[in-house]
Amino acid sequence: RKEVEQDPGPFNVPEGATVAFNCTYSNSASQSFFWYRQDCRKEPKLLMSVYSSGNEDGRFTAQLNRASQYISLLIRDSKLSDSATYLCVVTRGSYIPTFGRGTSLIVHP
Amino acid sequence: EAGVAQSPRYKIIEKRQSVAFWCNPISGHATLYWYQQILGQGPKLLIQFQNNGVVDDSQLPKDRFSAERLKGVDSTLKIQPAKLEDSAVYLCASSSNRNEQFFGPGTRLTVL
Repeated sequence: RKEVEQDPGPFNVPEGATVAFNCTYSNSASQSFFWYRQDCRKEPKLLMSVYSSGNEDGRFTAQLNRASQYISLLIRDSKLSDSATYLCVVTRGSYIPTFGRGTSLIVHP
Repeated sequence: EAGVAQSPRYKIIEKRQSVAFWCNPISGHATLYWYQQILGQGPKLLIQFQNNGVVDDSQLPKDRFSAERLKGVDSTLKIQPAKLEDSAVYLCASSSNRNEQFFGPGTRLTVL
C-alpha cells in the first residue's frame, strides 16, 4: 500500500459545481496534513493546512479523519481558475513530507 | 521577499553524463528539500536538510545522486552518471517552520 494515495481523476465539473477529493494515508503516526495546488508546468503552492477540527478558507473546506486515516478537500462554487492538480501532503517523523500523486481538476464553462 | 531560486531552468544531457543543480532557499529558512517530479506523478522527496544536516535521504539513489548544503544555505544536487529514467523536474523547496514549503520554479532535466 502506498504511503499516500489519491484518485488521479481527472474530475471534470461545470462552473459552480461542488467537488470533493479524498486522500488516504497509511501511517497512523502521521503528524501534519496539507493540500497543495499545482498548475500545469508550475511549482506546487500551499492551498491550506488541514487541522483536526476541520478548517475553511472561503470556498475551500478541509477535513481530517484520523480514525479512518484520510483527509478531504471540498471546493464549492467551482471557478474556471480552480482547474489545477491538487496534491495531498502528509508528514511523519521529523516533519518528513510525502506527497500523493495528485488529483486533476478541470472546471469547464 | 525573494523566493526560492534554482538554476539552470532546463538541462539536456546524454545518458552517463553528469549534471548538477543549484538551489538558493529563502533567506532564514532552515529546512531545505529536493524533490524529483516525474510527469503525471507527485513530487518525490529525495533529501531533506535541516540547516546543514540531513534529516532524511531514504529515497535518494545514493549510487548516482548526491546532495550537499554547505554552511546551511545554498544546496547542490548532483547526478553522476545520469540514466534515461532520471528525466524529470527537480524541485527545491524551503521552509522556516516545518509547515508551509515554498518551492522554486524547478529544473527540467531531459536525459537522451
